[in-house]
Amino acid sequence: AQRVTQPEKLLSVFKGAPVELKCNYSYSGSPELFWYVQYSRQRLQLLLRHISRESIKGFTADLNKGETSFHLKKPFAQEEDSAMYYCALSGSSNTGKLIFGQGTTLQVKP
Amino acid sequence: DAGVTQSPTHLIKTRGQQVTLRCSPKSGHDTVSWYQQALGQGPQFIFQYYEEEERQRGNFPDRFSGHQFPNYSSELNVNALLLGDSALYLCASSVVGLETDTQYFGPGTRLTVL
Repeated sequence: AQRVTQPEKLLSVFKGAPVELKCNYSYSGSPELFWYVQYSRQRLQLLLRHISRESIKGFTADLNKGETSFHLKKPFAQEEDSAMYYCALSGSSNTGKLIFGQGTTLQVKP
Repeated sequence: DAGVTQSPTHLIKTRGQQVTLRCSPKSGHDTVSWYQQALGQGPQFIFQYYEEEERQRGNFPDRFSGHQFPNYSSELNVNALLLGDSALYLCASSVVGLETDTQYFGPGTRLTVL
């Protein structure tokens, strides 16, 4: 079954601390992985996708096919990073259909 | 460009009624996907429309149907509403091809079924 698991509902860190939001997936094929973010009172927006290999707002994510993970990392958290983060999966057989995890709320304390 | 727009913002219905939600895609986009997001959950894929046809469908009953118009806008219809249909309904648009999976989301329609 195709599935995305985000084991933490809430991650609370202090400003300046490193952040790692976990994402594990189950997919029989070559998946495309994404991280979407939703800031307070804003719409869901794409943060990054693994094939772009970009660093957006200081966040990076590496696809680990051996561990079927796509963890989101940032070395130094900022208060403005506080938001809901969703990991999502798509694949060659599901073009355009995103499978989302349940989301993790990141709370960055001053 | 206003991006993806959805109407109405909020809607209250009673069990058994029917509802229609509307979505206008981002300028230049030709594909519309609909998602249901229950409270505390991630979005769940309902279906996707391209060239006025349903292209893919998630695990939702036939009570959920849709339509895409020649201008690429789309409607989501839900018949015989159940209490469990209460959720935020998200519309996302994209462009078929290499960037199909890069979806732009609307603000959502909050449906409450009483």
